[in-house]
Amino acid sequence: KNEVEQSPQNLTAQEGEFITINCSYSVGISALHWLQQHPGGGIVSLFMLSSGKKKHGRLIATINIQEKHSSLHITASHPRDSAVYICAVKEGGSEKLVFGKGTKLTVNP
Amino acid sequence: DTGVSQNPRHKITKRGQNVTFRCDPISEHNRLYWYRQTLGQGPEFLTYFQNEAQLEKSRLLSDRFSAERPKGSFSTLEIQRTEQGDSAMYLCASSLVRSSYEQYFGPGTRLTVT
Repeated sequence: KNEVEQSPQNLTAQEGEFITINCSYSVGISALHWLQQHPGGGIVSLFMLSSGKKKHGRLIATINIQEKHSSLHITASHPRDSAVYICAVKEGGSEKLVFGKGTKLTVNP
Repeated sequence: DTGVSQNPRHKITKRGQNVTFRCDPISEHNRLYWYRQTLGQGPEFLTYFQNEAQLEKSRLLSDRFSAERPKGSFSTLEIQRTEQGDSAMYLCASSLVRSSYEQYFGPGTRLTVT
């Protein structure tokens, strides 16, 4: 079992829909990241969370430390949001990130 | 451009050859990380440096892999006697110690071993 599990693996939505991507982890962490990866490989950091909730534009990320669960929400989705979204956790006591397999999001016009 | 840069962006090599990749971090960042990503998977940690010191290595980093950061600035990752299983995207990221949670990623080097 992977230390970081994401669901769903693939998600197709219509433009304007509200999107939720989930991440569960099994280890103690000091921080959780949500990353966006476009075709070609480049990774962009969207959020870094250690508690609560963060919002940036149409993106919202939440984390529940007790339940070891985080969600990434996209409001009013747009075709340019199509990408792979990756959850990664920073284990306590280590500098390395442990990544989920990613969720491939396709938003159709 | 002040982001993380990696060279080359693509490398095709024959099995058994040695390859070397370079990563230039954001200039004031003292931490530098290497990750490997195979198709359909999330990235996996390989190693990280704080300044010139290599502080943590994954068991994925076999003896055919070596990484250096000789002056605490750019880093190189060398793979000796490449195998087809080494085909992957090799990603570099950098961060500041005081905000080490925030890592900035380079565009990656895609390696294909034929």
